[in-house]
Amino acid sequence: DGGITQSPKYLFRKEGQNVTLSCEQNLNHDAMYWYRQDPGQGLRLIYYSQIVNDFQKGDIAEGYSVSREKKESFPLTVTSAQKNPTAFYLCASSDRDAGNTIYFGEGSWLTVV
Amino acid sequence: AQSVTQLGSHVSVSEGALVLLRCNYSSSVPPYLFWYVQYPNQGLQLLLKYTTGATLVKGINGFEAEFKKSETSFHLTKPSAHMSDAAEYFCAVSGQGAQKLVFGQGTRLTINP
Repeated sequence: DGGITQSPKYLFRKEGQNVTLSCEQNLNHDAMYWYRQDPGQGLRLIYYSQIVNDFQKGDIAEGYSVSREKKESFPLTVTSAQKNPTAFYLCASSDRDAGNTIYFGEGSWLTVV
Repeated sequence: AQSVTQLGSHVSVSEGALVLLRCNYSSSVPPYLFWYVQYPNQGLQLLLKYTTGATLVKGINGFEAEFKKSETSFHLTKPSAHMSDAAEYFCAVSGQGAQKLVFGQGTRLTINP
């Protein structure tokens, strides 16, 4: 089945640690995104990439980093510089042929312990 | 720039009653408009979208929405609510590519038996 796979579903981070969330898509989409979701605040864009080896900051990029070495993969690292990382993280992808429609993965919960 | 306002963070209806979730947008360019649904601990699933053409858009699960340019609205409706419709619903607008997709704060729909 085509889709977007995020892993792990649940992740716990200790203070001062970096953690990486995985996102893989087999939809052959050019663009990929990372969003953060907090209760009552909707979705906020962290980073996006429109092509391999290129990415741009979104609205809340501080404390996060990404890479796009392969078309199908867009991992997100939550660094120790992110002071409030506990949230639900959503990876997504889109393709111009699909009318710029964004499709989402199942999400990953990150909790600081 | 684009923005979205969803009126009512929480809507409650009885099973079998009309569902109406309100969304108003602002956009400096002709908008693409989307409704997504999110079930607990899951990603967002596309319900329907408006790009161009017919202003009444039909989606999955019996939902539809009407684009009203004069009112800058894109309200979501369903004639008869089912218990399975209980979820959070997000309206989103895009005017200049998917990376510029802006989400509303979400409306939590509760269905009373």
